Amino acid sequence: DAGVIQSPRHEVTEMGQEVTLRCKPISGHNSLFWYRQTMMRGLELLIYFNNNVPIDDSGMPEDRFSAKMPNASFSTLKIQPSEPRDSAVYFCASNTGGGETQYFGPGTRLLVL
Amino acid sequence: SQQGEEDPQALSIQEGENATMNCSYKTSINNLQWYRQNSGRGLVHLILIRSNEREKHSGRLRVTLDTSKKSSSLLITASRAADTASYFCATDGDGQGGKLIFGQGTELSVKP
Repeated sequence: DAGVIQSPRHEVTEMGQEVTLRCKPISGHNSLFWYRQTMMRGLELLIYFNNNVPIDDSGMPEDRFSAKMPNASFSTLKIQPSEPRDSAVYFCASNTGGGETQYFGPGTRLLVL
Repeated sequence: SQQGEEDPQALSIQEGENATMNCSYKTSINNLQWYRQNSGRGLVHLILIRSNEREKHSGRLRVTLDTSKKSSSLLITASRAADTASYFCATDGDGQGGKLIFGQGTELSVKP
């Protein structure tokens, strides 16, 4: 099992640019979670999907952030336009649903200049 | 404040000593989980304890849960330098619809 796959692993971009982060969950998992981690705010849940449907996006900071899950094996988190305060590590995680064990990807380290 | 809050925020011990980390939460839960995060890496699940369990073991890890006090502890026995990491508790409280709420974590440093 390859685990949760995220790409890119590192992204450096300039303020105002569009950023797209990608995630492939573990096969058979029907829930997918996007988190953001910073020193100041810790680990924050941005949005999660169940069976490809967004269930709770209350953690999405503002309209500049959007997430999609077009099928069971792929999700994207998009930031447009990006700002320096979006610099963080973004994690994707998946599980079989409910409050069960979540399996995290290696993260995407984003730096917005 | 957060659903899961770890204590202490940072802990430094010598190799071979035991490390104890605590977690408090506010709402009723179905289960509580502990995760480890090595620097620059994703979180790795360590152990899950359900609300009807009081204690659980996994190798050198021992987790206790006291639902009356809404608290849990993680004990790492005979610590090793490789245990150096941040440790997070996470809860799936009522009304959270399947999502976990993570605490701020305890940063453990084990010195050889």
